[in-house]
Amino acid sequence: GESVGLHLPTLSVQEGDNSIINCAYSNSASDYFIWYKQESGKGPQFIIDIRSNMDKRQGQRVTVLLNKTVKHLSLQIAATQPGDSAVYFCAENPTSNTGKLIFGQGTTLQVKP
Amino acid sequence: DVKVTQSSRYLVKRTGEKVFLECVQDMDHENMFWYRQDPGLGLRLIYFSYDVKMKEKGDIPEGYSVSREKKERFSLILESASTNQTSMYLCASSPSGKGTDTQYFGPGTRLTVL
Repeated sequence: GESVGLHLPTLSVQEGDNSIINCAYSNSASDYFIWYKQESGKGPQFIIDIRSNMDKRQGQRVTVLLNKTVKHLSLQIAATQPGDSAVYFCAENPTSNTGKLIFGQGTTLQVKP
Repeated sequence: DVKVTQSSRYLVKRTGEKVFLECVQDMDHENMFWYRQDPGLGLRLIYFSYDVKMKEKGDIPEGYSVSREKKERFSLILESASTNQTSMYLCASSPSGKGTDTQYFGPGTRLTVL
């Protein structure tokens, strides 16, 4: 069945270092991917998205990489800050006409001062 | 900015009670969604709606129903709450049914059923 998975449940990084959060997806037909950030007690917040016709997209301090060959998605956060501490979810859209998303279970990013 | 609001942040109900969770979005979005979020299980889709008075079952609709009488409002109903429905409930909306729509989430309602 379809699944979206994150490789590590928890990632601990030093403040100022770069963070890389990984995600594997199973549906090769998925054409749209999103990264969300969820802080404690809040709803998921959109960070960045990428379409399947791209392999890289950059935002402010964040970069998403898409490798369709191995069905892998990653989120890179530059110069990680304490405010980046949160749970990060990847999501994929496996069909083009419903807007439904399939979510991974999330990776908790802990930033050490 | 897109704003999705949920009627309660925290709710405590008793087994057997009828529970209403309300969600409102202010961006004229076509699609609205209800999820529940549990540790180790991630986000699971309960129901979604792509138009007023239209609804579709998600992955775990049992024990729930929904209502969408107005475009901006999507209600989740627990007809007879049970303890296994204790969870975080998240509402989301997206502009349309296209595959490149981002879903925007509300702050969540943490429901405890005693």
